[in-house]
Amino acid sequence: AQTVTQSQPEMSVQEAETVTLSCTYDTSESDYYLFWYKQPPSRQMILVIRQEAYKQQNATENRFSVNFQKAAKSFSLKISDSQLGDAAMYFCAYRAAYNAGNMLTFGGGTRLMVKP
Amino acid sequence: DTGVSQNPRHKITKRGQNVTFRCDPISEHNRLYWYRQTLGQGPEFLTYFQNEAQLEKSRLLSDRFSAERPKGSFSTLEIQRTEQGDSAMYLCASSTFGDREGNEQFFGPGTRLTVL
Repeated sequence: AQTVTQSQPEMSVQEAETVTLSCTYDTSESDYYLFWYKQPPSRQMILVIRQEAYKQQNATENRFSVNFQKAAKSFSLKISDSQLGDAAMYFCAYRAAYNAGNMLTFGGGTRLMVKP
Repeated sequence: DTGVSQNPRHKITKRGQNVTFRCDPISEHNRLYWYRQTLGQGPEFLTYFQNEAQLEKSRLLSDRFSAERPKGSFSTLEIQRTEQGDSAMYLCASSTFGDREGNEQFFGPGTRLTVL
């Protein structure tokens, strides 16, 4: 079974600074997707960024980028120029590319606090 | 379309009562998922539908839980004889179907269940 681990329960960053959230996963599959989701307080979860395992190039979305290390099974999220609106729970998630179950497997989350 | 909606947003019930939640997915999405999220944890997969067919159920979905998606539109999740351990946020998500399983899942705001 796949597992996703986020070892940082909480992180703090100063506004305008850069922060990196860590995620590791375990799978026997070679073709899969990895995701970072953001869950603001009392609001719904939204997709921040997605990485396809067979693509070597790291995904980027504006201020958000990932460092995908397939051999190490590591998938970290870097947030540049942090803004107050980035404060939220961040979840790393995994999904096999051809998965009959189609479910996402989530990590335990990292609470990001942004200090003004 | 305003996204995935869920009702009610909050439900407080007494142990032993039955509860039912509703999810309305994005209209053109033929896949619908249910997840459960306990406080401080990541969401865990419960079940999913493709159109009206329920194709996968997690072992977390005990026989007290039942989900339906009549006519492939909205879905309901019913919990019979609720227990205090059922207290959680119940999340619904929907997506399109694709050849590969990287299609984004769009999440609703969730229904928070409290069992007294």
